[in-house]
Formats: sequence, structure tokens, C-alpha cells
Amino acid sequence: AQSVAQPEDQVNVAEGNPLTVKCTYSVSGNPYLFWYVQYPNRGLQFLLKYITGDNLVKGSYGFEAEFNKSQTSFHLKKPSALVSDSALYFCAVRVLRGATNKLIFGTGTLLAVQP
Amino acid sequence: SQTIHQWPATLVQPVGSPLSLECTVEGTSNPNLYWYRQAAGRGLQLLFYSVGIGQISSEVPQNLSASRPQDRQFILSSKKLLLSDSGFYLCAWKGDRATEQYFGPGTRLTVT
Repeated sequence: AQSVAQPEDQVNVAEGNPLTVKCTYSVSGNPYLFWYVQYPNRGLQFLLKYITGDNLVKGSYGFEAEFNKSQTSFHLKKPSALVSDSALYFCAVRVLRGATNKLIFGTGTLLAVQP
Repeated sequence: SQTIHQWPATLVQPVGSPLSLECTVEGTSNPNLYWYRQAAGRGLQLLFYSVGIGQISSEVPQNLSASRPQDRQFILSSKKLLLSDSGFYLCAWKGDRATEQYFGPGTRLTVT
């Protein structure tokens, strides 16, 4: 079955420190991977995606993600966390069903950045 | 640029009442449209998706239905709400050649 897992319910990091939010996936074929962020009572905002090419993908707000095929992972990273980065982060993988593509989302990781 | 709207932003409805949530997209044509429900502030469940006018695919059997009467309009409905229909409902769109989906601001539904 195709799936995506976010093993951490919550990640705590001090402001200014690097952060990592983990994601692993299981899909057949080449994966299309995505990261989204959700602030309280808001819709999801697209951060970045991996389709092909460089394993290190850069996205919005200084975030980047590293695709690792051997470990089937797509971890989200940022060199220096801000308090305003505190939010719920979702990893997603594309699933093709006929002519339609759909996203399967992980359960989300709450990032808490302490001042 | 493209924008996606959802309304209402919040809704409190009694059990057994009907429901109609609306989603519209501006600045694009023939988008793929999606309805998700987010329960307990976490997991996202895909409810319906549509690749064109009148074309609706349901992901899970439930008390809800969806319709797409116009190219950029997607409606989520119910004839009789259940307590379990409470949640945060998100609409999303995807361009024909794009890979990522873009989400609306959501509707918070509380069934009492």
C-alpha cells in the first residue's frame, strides 16, 4: 500500500537552532513528495516539492527538504528556526489513480519553536 | 493569480439539518477540485475529487455528497447532518499540468 509516515507527533526546538521534521514514504514507482504547513484555523500552505533532479529541494520561508531514495525519506529542514515557524507540518505523496492524481498526507507534526 | 475561496468560514448546525459548503476558484480554468475533512486538528481525509463539471468521485462512503455545477465551483452537501460530520472542511485545487494542490482557508463545521 502507498503511504507516508511522520513518526513524530511534535518537535520542539529553540529559536535559532536548526530544525528537522521527519517523513518517510512507501510508493510504487518514482515518488512525488510535498511539504505543507498549517497555521491554526487556516488552510494548508504549499512549502515545497520533489519531483526529480537534485535531492535537496528549496522552498518557501527558508525551508528545504532532502530526498533520500535509499532510506525512502523526505525530511524537512531549516538552518535556523523562528518562533513564527511554529505550526503543523504535513508531508504528502502523490498517488496516481487512472487520470487523476491524489495526495496521501501524513498525520502531521506539530513544530514548537521556543524563544 | 489564482485564488480559492470557501464559505462560510464557520458554521454551527443542529443534527439532522442540511448542509451546503461552497468553494470557488478564480484565475484558472478546468482545475481539479478536492474536498478534504480534517478531524481533531490533524489527519486529512480526502472526501471527493472532481476533474470536470459534473464529474465527481467519492473516496469514502458517508453522509455527504459533492457537486460541481460550474467549472470553478465545488459544493459539499448533506441532507441530514450527523454529530460525526463535525470538523474542518478544506477545499483544494490543482492546475491541469501542476503536481501540487492549493488549499482554501477552510470551513469549521460544528454539529450540535
